[in-house]
Amino acid sequence: GENVEQHPSTLSVQEGDSAVIKCTYSDSASNYFPWYKQELGKGPQLIIDIRSNVGEKKDQRIAVTLNKTAKHFSLHITETQPEDSAVYFCAASQGNSNYQLIWGAGTKLIIKP
Amino acid sequence: ETGVTQSPTHLIKTRGQQVTLRCSSQSGHNTVSWYQQALGQGPQFIFQYYREEENGRGNFPPRFSGLQFPNYSSELNVNALELDDSALYLCASSLGQGARETQYFGPGTRLLVL
Repeated sequence: GENVEQHPSTLSVQEGDSAVIKCTYSDSASNYFPWYKQELGKGPQLIIDIRSNVGEKKDQRIAVTLNKTAKHFSLHITETQPEDSAVYFCAASQGNSNYQLIWGAGTKLIIKP
Repeated sequence: ETGVTQSPTHLIKTRGQQVTLRCSSQSGHNTVSWYQQALGQGPQFIFQYYREEENGRGNFPPRFSGLQFPNYSSELNVNALELDDSALYLCASSLGQGARETQYFGPGTRLLVL
């Protein structure tokens, strides 16, 4: 079945700098890759997603890149702000099930003032 | 805010008991997925309901069961609670079935089993 690995587990960056979180997946049939942000005491919130027919997607300060050949995708946050501090999760659709998202273990992003 | 609500917010049970968690989906959404999130980990898929039918299930035993009602709200039932069932239980609603539909999460129910 699908396995999603996420790195790093903790990332500390200076306010204003960029942050990059990387995920790899194992199932070549996966074709949907969302990124979620989870703040303390809240449910995950979708921040950006990408489907396998594109290689990059951008929304203001957030971008996601997908390399299908290498089976990895990355989240890029530019000009980080204190409110970006949270836990970020990547996920991948399980190719043969059509209903299941497989999630990474999460990255705790800390923005230092 | 996503419009997905869950109740209760917190719950304490003892081992062997049964629990029912509730979820109201976002207006217009006909699909609800349930996840278990242990502390410090990513969510794990339990099952998905589409138009009142279970249409997919993760690696969870049969003592985890669910229902979806005509208004698309949903319940998660867990029988014979075990200590390892302590977790945050999340529901997510979407416009259609499948993992490739954008899922909108509620705030979760935190369950503690003693």
